[in-house]
Amino acid sequence: EAQVTQNPRYLITVTGKKLTVTCSQNMNHEYMSWYRQDPGLGLRQIYYSMNVEVTDKGDVPEGYKVSRKEKRNFPLILESPSPNQTSLYFCASSFNGGRAFFGQGTRLTVV
Amino acid sequence: QQQVKQSPQSLIVQKGGISIINCAYENTAFDYFPWYQQFPGKGPALLIAIRPDVSEKKEGRFTISFNKSAKQFSLHIMDSQPGDSATYFCASSSLGNQGGKLIFGQGTELSVKP
Repeated sequence: EAQVTQNPRYLITVTGKKLTVTCSQNMNHEYMSWYRQDPGLGLRQIYYSMNVEVTDKGDVPEGYKVSRKEKRNFPLILESPSPNQTSLYFCASSFNGGRAFFGQGTRLTVV
Repeated sequence: QQQVKQSPQSLIVQKGGISIINCAYENTAFDYFPWYQQFPGKGPALLIAIRPDVSEKKEGRFTISFNKSAKQFSLHIMDSQPGDSATYFCASSSLGNQGGKLIFGQGTELSVKP
């Protein structure tokens, strides 16, 4: 089954404790992205990647890091999480930047 | 230049009615305009999409109307059903050298009353 898998689904952490949210896709897609979803603000792109070792900033990259060492994986790293990064996060992949397939989401709470 | 503005923020429609959600974009380089549907606890899923070379696209009860000169596009849901209750997002992107950079609207929470 074609899918984008994120882990964990839920995470509560404390300010400053480094964390990684994993994302994996099994569709051999070149494009992968991370979004955060906040009420009234829609989905805002954090980072995207057009291929292995090629990443670029989205609209809200501050406080986040990504890496794309393999085509299927695109982890999101928060080196020092802060409460304003409490949000619902989605990973997505697409073949050519068109139709995007989204993961189930990761609800992150930073206290 | 990169914003996509969506309205209304919420919408209540009676079963069988027509739901209409509007979006406006700024960047004339955008050439791909999808609509995504999101149910609670799920990730968004593509509903329907249009390219700027056509003014309308219909798939079942869902229709996108596209006005290139006004830089606007809208989603029409005919014969709305309670199962259509979800959050809808419009988006825009350029499939050229910025493929993968989808810009989303703010979302519309649709509630269809039985």
